[in-house]
Amino acid sequence: SAVISQKPSRDICQRGTSLTIQCQVDSQVTMMFWYRQQPGQSLTLIATANQGSEATYESGFVIDKFPISRPNLTFSTLTVSNMSPEDSSIYLCSVGQVLPGGYTFGSGTRLTVV
Amino acid sequence: QQQVKQSPQSLIVQKGGISIINCAYENTAFDYFPWYQQFPGKGPALLIAIRPDVSEKKEGRFTISFNKSAKQFSLHIMDSQPGDSATYFCAASPPGTASKLTFGTGTRLQVTL
Repeated sequence: SAVISQKPSRDICQRGTSLTIQCQVDSQVTMMFWYRQQPGQSLTLIATANQGSEATYESGFVIDKFPISRPNLTFSTLTVSNMSPEDSSIYLCSVGQVLPGGYTFGSGTRLTVV
Repeated sequence: QQQVKQSPQSLIVQKGGISIINCAYENTAFDYFPWYQQFPGKGPALLIAIRPDVSEKKEGRFTISFNKSAKQFSLHIMDSQPGDSATYFCAASPPGTASKLTFGTGTRLQVTL
């Protein structure tokens, strides 16, 4: 299965600022997924990032707040814009497919907004 | 509605015991049911997965039981060990190579000595 490097692993940010999270994969993948996991909660899909096209956002998530770039088949970024304390969460990227190996997740970025 | 309901929210099991976590889904189009294990500070890792054409799948100490008519599936951890202490998530996805996963709410398992 793919190996994912996610940066930064954690950050503390001031409200009103933006943070860009990077996701690097060791192999080419068609689709990358960005999730949010609030403290002690489950994973919620933010968007699906396809190379060469605009990301597809889930209900409740908008591009202005979570712009995504996907410049090539091994890399993607998620930006959390104009942050508020409610954005404090773990953000995870994921790659893979249902078969054969399932989905692989990065270790996540733990974001605290103060 | 594409929901996956998971129970219990937390579970304490003695070492050597059996841990059982249950999930129920609503969307009959789901055809892939993985379980993920997550340790603190780490991303979820695929543990075991099942398709609805079988009723049970076993990998080592981990077994998925699947009941298609009841739209339920469960994870059994036999001979639970302290190293199994983690949060477990069930998930489901519809057909398709790169379909979106819908996750359950998670179960925090603690295995005591």
